[in-house]
Amino acid sequence: DAKTTQPPSMDCAEGRAANLPCNHSTISGNEYVYWYRQIHSQGPQYIIHGLKNNETNEMASLIITEDRKSSTLILPHATLRDTAVYYCIAPQTGANNLFFGTGTRLTVIP
Amino acid sequence: NAGVTQTPKFRILKIGQSMTLQCTQDMNHNYMYWYRQDPGMGLKLIYYSVGAGITDKGEVPNGYNVSRSTTEDFPLRLELAAPSQTSVYFCASSQGPLAVAKNIQYFGAGTRLSVL
Repeated sequence: DAKTTQPPSMDCAEGRAANLPCNHSTISGNEYVYWYRQIHSQGPQYIIHGLKNNETNEMASLIITEDRKSSTLILPHATLRDTAVYYCIAPQTGANNLFFGTGTRLTVIP
Repeated sequence: NAGVTQTPKFRILKIGQSMTLQCTQDMNHNYMYWYRQDPGMGLKLIYYSVGAGITDKGEVPNGYNVSRSTTEDFPLRLELAAPSQTSVYFCASSQGPLAVAKNIQYFGAGTRLSVL
């Protein structure tokens, strides 16, 4: 996998947008960026993925820089249930597993 | 829509005992995976399978065995439990290789294992 770097923790006020950054400066041209999250004690949950263009789904938006060296996951209106560890992953072509590092622990504050 | 189902949810083993962690998926996925997660750490891949009858080692396979006789099931076997195997175990599945955009990985709820 391309090495990814995320801040270890972030706080966000409930109802505000949560912006979670990820650096992936060694990513190759055809490697996707995936975001998963893990709510305490549960299995990881897929959020969104992208290659070059910005992406949006019902859970979040993903903004990828033009040089693809970094991306930002945006939760538009964070709720208490969004408190979780968020993982940014860029698997190599042909990879048979996802490398889950330590991610960013997001705490949504009431 | 069950997805990936793991049993049991919790288990306490004595050192040297053996057990099988069960995992089944109802999505007809070809790929299945076993991960372990130690407290405060990320997930580490134990074994994976790209189809029935085919398994391969991941990052931390020692002390574990797997089999894949059907598409649906991918059990993980601990033969001689050791305290170092105390962890949370997650099973996952995907339709195909993870680097292909459409192949999302789906996870089970986990099995909490303590070896005392």
